[in-house]
Amino acid sequence: DQQVKQNSPSLSVQEGRISILNCDYTNSMFDYFLWYKKYPAEGPTFLISISSIKDKNEDGRFTVFLNKSAKHLSLHIVPSQPGDSAVYFCAAIKRETSGSRLTFGEGTQLTVNP
Amino acid sequence: EPEVTQTPSHQVTQMGQEVILRCVPISNHLYFYWYRQILGQKVEFLVSFYNNEISEKSEIFDDQFSVERPDGSNFTLKIRSTKLEDSAMYFCASSELGVGGYTFGSGTRLTVV
Repeated sequence: DQQVKQNSPSLSVQEGRISILNCDYTNSMFDYFLWYKKYPAEGPTFLISISSIKDKNEDGRFTVFLNKSAKHLSLHIVPSQPGDSAVYFCAAIKRETSGSRLTFGEGTQLTVNP
Repeated sequence: EPEVTQTPSHQVTQMGQEVILRCVPISNHLYFYWYRQILGQKVEFLVSFYNNEISEKSEIFDDQFSVERPDGSNFTLKIRSTKLEDSAMYFCASSELGVGGYTFGSGTRLTVV
């Protein structure tokens, strides 16, 4: 099942710089996208989401961009902090029915170096 | 902040044994889910549950699996006869509206030996 793909297994950035995490999807029926952050031995924590009718959503240091025609979304973290080091998952959902499943990407391990 | 609680955090079981993984969702949430993550693989959807019945299930969720909400607070996943390939991290999640904003528990690491 390759409907949601994160091609970069890892990303390393310097503290204070921008982190850009990328995600591609193939299913055009997805209409809502989410980013989750996961620390070891913890469950995924919701970060930010975007509806398919928008192309940008911002929340503090986190901004998600959606390019529907390219079926691509990205998460920007500015400025990056060492505490942001975690695995970031992109997820997508079809909201046609409530309780629908999240389809996850493989995750990208972000390391922010002090 | 409200959280989803899962017990136990780690369960070791022998192949062929039954296991029950327990979850306490957030109290005002109406939709409940189980996901799993096999080591090195994606987080995969297993099942969603609403209004005391399964609303969606994946191909993974075969007859070996069942879910139950035995009382007003617990949500359980039962695996009837565990296989080695059931070894994974199992995450419970809940949401208020069933669309986005899912809150995940910390997971139960199931090891089948």
